[in-house]
Amino acid sequence: QVQLVQSGAEVKKPGASVKVSCKASGYSFTGYYIHWVRQAPGQGLEYMGWINPNNGDTNSAQKFQGRVTMARDTSISEVYMEVSRLTSDDTAVYFCARDSGTYSLTYWGQGTLLSVSS
Amino acid sequence: SYELTQPTSLSVSPGQTASITCSGDKLDNKYCAWYQQKPGRSPVLVIYQDKKRPSGIPERFSGSNSGNTATLTISGTQAMDEADYYCQAWDTTTKVFGGGTKLTVL
Repeated sequence: QVQLVQSGAEVKKPGASVKVSCKASGYSFTGYYIHWVRQAPGQGLEYMGWINPNNGDTNSAQKFQGRVTMARDTSISEVYMEVSRLTSDDTAVYFCARDSGTYSLTYWGQGTLLSVSS
Repeated sequence: SYELTQPTSLSVSPGQTASITCSGDKLDNKYCAWYQQKPGRSPVLVIYQDKKRPSGIPERFSGSNSGNTATLTISGTQAMDEADYYCQAWDTTTKVFGGGTKLTVL
């Protein structure tokens, strides 16, 4: 079965960076895009961007361009998202999700809570 | 940037039909997906490509997309359907979410 398992909760100070990982299993890792979505406390879902695990191509939503970097390691079926220059507004649960070529996010990770506080 | 608008909340009685709307400019030129999210849980896909149901999603969930409005319809709403629902517009350059609708079943 398809599984996306994310790294654990993080606490960071303003100005720092954080790297969240998402390990995929149960399918061909290079066959489907992985997307990142975040949700601030009590707020809605916010789309951040995608990575193509096959060739490493990435695309970030305009709001995150220049501050978000996505990468993958095909040898261990893992993708990563790094967010730099953190502020308190980045406090949120970060989800990775996989599409199925059906214009939607079919499978989701369990989420990674990031807290940014001085 | 592209924006989607959903009602903040909706209340229905058990057994009634719940219709949650999602509005965006020429939304029917894009595919619309719907997600259900319960407190403390990851979202679950309930409708994709406007009207298709993933396996395991009950038949009472249906979707449509016409003009500027997509609609998620839950027929015979059950207590277990109480959750937040998010629409997402999807094309090659857009993958934006609506603000979400809190569905209360009482």
